[in-house]
Amino acid sequence: GNSVTQMEGPVTLSEEAFLTINCTYTATGYPSLFWYVQYPGEGLQLLLKATKADDKGSNKGFEATYRKETTSFHLEKGSVQVSDSAVYFCALSLYSGGGADGLTFGKGTHLIIQP
Amino acid sequence: NAGVTQTPKFQVLKTGQSMTLQCAQDMNHEYMSWYRQDPGMGLRLIHYSVGAGITDQGEVPNGYNVSRSTTEDFPLRLLSAAPSQTSVYFCASSYETSGAGNEQFFGPGTRLTVL
Repeated sequence: GNSVTQMEGPVTLSEEAFLTINCTYTATGYPSLFWYVQYPGEGLQLLLKATKADDKGSNKGFEATYRKETTSFHLEKGSVQVSDSAVYFCALSLYSGGGADGLTFGKGTHLIIQP
Repeated sequence: NAGVTQTPKFQVLKTGQSMTLQCAQDMNHEYMSWYRQDPGMGLRLIHYSVGAGITDQGEVPNGYNVSRSTTEDFPLRLLSAAPSQTSVYFCASSYETSGAGNEQFFGPGTRLTVL
């Protein structure tokens, strides 16, 4: 079956530090890959996505590259801010020829940025 | 647009009680789905719908019923609540039924406690 594995944390960094959150996946086909972010008390918001190998998704200073050879989609940011504190979810979606499989999520990584 | 709305925000039930979690979207999305979020488990798909009158099971459907009589609404019913259903429930929608590569929009969630 399909699965997503990500580092669970919590990950604690100082402001302006470099961030990497690892994500690897297992899928039976060619998935689209996503990073969602959940701020305290809120629902999930799409942060970025990539739909095919070697695509790079980017948004708000965050980046992730779809690496088919290593089945990975690691999230990076060069200089984090206190406002980036949240839970980050890696997810995949497969098109099943007219069906709808929804999203398969990792367990989430709690990121804490200290001033 | 209000996006995806969910009611109630919080609910406490006793074992064996029934209730309906409401979800509505005003974006004319065909695809809607329900997830539950449990600590250390990420989000898991309960049921989904690819259009009015069409529903199907996700990863964890037992104990839940859904219906889709209109494009806008997708209620989730618990017929006889159990403590194992204590969770945070999220409704999501997207404009294409495949889900692959398309952003899903999430509601703010319903926090349910079953005593």
